[in-house]
Amino acid sequence: DAGVIQSPRHEVTEMGQEVTLRCKPISGHDYLFWYRQTMMRGLELLIYFNNNVPIDDSGMPEDRFSAKMPNASFSTLKIQPSEPRDSAVYFCASRLDGSYEQYFGPGTRLTVT
Amino acid sequence: SQQGEEDPQALSIQEGENATMNCSYKTSINNLQWYRQNSGRGLVHLILIRSNEREKHSGRLRVTLDTSKKSSSLLITASRAADTASYFCAFRRDSSYKLIFGSGTRLLVRP
Repeated sequence: DAGVIQSPRHEVTEMGQEVTLRCKPISGHDYLFWYRQTMMRGLELLIYFNNNVPIDDSGMPEDRFSAKMPNASFSTLKIQPSEPRDSAVYFCASRLDGSYEQYFGPGTRLTVT
Repeated sequence: SQQGEEDPQALSIQEGENATMNCSYKTSINNLQWYRQNSGRGLVHLILIRSNEREKHSGRLRVTLDTSKKSSSLLITASRAADTASYFCAFRRDSSYKLIFGSGTRLLVRP
């Protein structure tokens, strides 16, 4: 298996622009998680899905952030409009129901100037 | 916000030495996991210890859990340069499926 796939790996954009991050979980995994990692706040859970349904989005910082999972093999995290404080590494992870282990993607490093 | 703290924040040791990292948390937990993150990469699961277990081994890794003190430790024996990475504890609170991650320990193993 190729593991969790994220794209792009790096994104540099200007403040105010829309940013879309993409994730393909491991085939067969029922849970998908979006995290954000910064030096100041560490690794934070933004939202997670179970069987494509958003279960907990309490970690989404503000209305500028939205996430979708239209099918079992694809999810997006969108930031509109982006701000410099959104600069971080965004990770997607997936997990099989019944297992506690999460499998992380390589991350997307977002820089908003 | 984080509800798990790790210490030390950074650790530098010589190859062959043992490395010990500690994690403290504030709530009751279902289980506790340790993850490793190499620079510029995603996290990789290392080991899980359940709340009713006190110690667990996996290769050169030894994890302990003290629920009365709300703390866990990760010991890496006979360290190698390839062990250089950041190590994070992560735990679930009760029935929640959310993982709360600690602040991490940056380990440098000098050849």
